[in-house]
Amino acid sequence: QKEVEQNSGPLSVPEGAIASLNCTYSDRGSQSFFWYRQYSGKSPELIMSIYSNGDKEDGRFTAQLNKASQYVSLLIRDSQPSDSATYLCAVVTGFQKLVFGTGTRLLVSP
Amino acid sequence: DGGITQSPKYLFRKEGQNVTLSCEQNLNHDAMYWYRQDPGQGLRLIYYSQIVNDFQKGDIAEGYSVSREKKESFPLTVTSAQKNPTAFYLCASSIQGGVLETQYFGPGTRLLVL
Repeated sequence: QKEVEQNSGPLSVPEGAIASLNCTYSDRGSQSFFWYRQYSGKSPELIMSIYSNGDKEDGRFTAQLNKASQYVSLLIRDSQPSDSATYLCAVVTGFQKLVFGTGTRLLVSP
Repeated sequence: DGGITQSPKYLFRKEGQNVTLSCEQNLNHDAMYWYRQDPGQGLRLIYYSQIVNDFQKGDIAEGYSVSREKKESFPLTVTSAQKNPTAFYLCASSIQGGVLETQYFGPGTRLLVL
């Protein structure tokens, strides 16, 4: 079982829709969770971090964490073509190790 | 402008050759990292350093070497022992190296084998 799992996609949504990206993790001791956005050929950039159960909102982005079910998700409201990228989930495990998922490719069509 | 620079953007390696990837930061960060990214795979940690003249192996250090002689610089050498070096190499830094800290990434170097 992988430590951090993401569906590789692509996830296709029309412009203006809500994009929902999911990530599951295996270590129940995991404590911190990050979402990075990576445009094709570019380096990752941090979008959100979340540490507590529940929702955290930042503009059009909402991160949701459910430690009991061991998943973290990222919602993008009013999706724009410029949101088309690969979204990486990263988790700090109980062993104090930062582990990245393989990423989900998002395509937003005009 | 503060940030992380990596050079070159593209690097070609001949079989049996050692090549060195440059990473420089002017963010005054103590910690620096090297990751490797392959298609369809997540970022994998090669080496990291939390202080000058000290560095630690990551998950896939075999075939690579690093040095940290200056706070600002953390070059990565891909040696001939690395049999499958083709990948996108990312350098990152963070303030002190704590796992909860945000890591800031450089633009990356794409290494290709001739």
